[in-house]
Amino acid sequence: RKEVEQDPGPFNVPEGATVAFNCTYSNSASQSFFWYRQDCRKEPKLLMSVYSSGNEDGRFTAQLNRASQYISLLIRDSKLSDSATYLCVVTVDTDKLIFGTGTRLQVFP
Amino acid sequence: DADVTQTPRNRITKTGKRIMLECSQTKGHDRMYWYRQDPGLGLRLIYYSFDVKDINKGEISDGYSVSRQAQAKFSLSLESAIPNQTALYFCATSDLQVNGALNEQFFGPGTRLTVL
Repeated sequence: RKEVEQDPGPFNVPEGATVAFNCTYSNSASQSFFWYRQDCRKEPKLLMSVYSSGNEDGRFTAQLNRASQYISLLIRDSKLSDSATYLCVVTVDTDKLIFGTGTRLQVFP
Repeated sequence: DADVTQTPRNRITKTGKRIMLECSQTKGHDRMYWYRQDPGLGLRLIYYSFDVKDINKGEISDGYSVSRQAQAKFSLSLESAIPNQTALYFCATSDLQVNGALNEQFFGPGTRLTVL
């Protein structure tokens, strides 16, 4: 089993749609969780950290379920500029991050 | 100016050649990382370093070596490049949160390496 698993997509959605991505992780001792965004041929950039209580940043909401070892990202009112690959990222100890292979989102007009 | 820089940005080389990729950061972070990214495989960790005297292997270190010349500089070398090392290479930096958990990583713009 992969340490971090994501549905690769692609998710093709119209502008204004709500879309949700899911991610599961295998190490129950993981402490920190993140969603990164990566545009084609560019470096990954932090979208948001994920907290146990859930957190929201504008149109983006992240949730963490430690019991199920599950992370989600919800994007509301999708914009064309949201088209990118979204990476689920988990720490397995204090040394390093483990990246999922990413979920590709394509928002169309 | 970018906080994490990488040189070169693109490189084409031949099998058997030695090549060095360089990374510099101005964030003052102690922790630096080298990743490679291949289509469908995501980011895979090659080497990481906590300070100048601390170097650690990642999941795919074979065929690579690193040098941490200073807190701000971390270079990756391919001693004898082979075609399956063709990939996009990223350097990243990080520090720790107050509670000891790992903080987010900041990435350089990447180096696109092609080995013929």
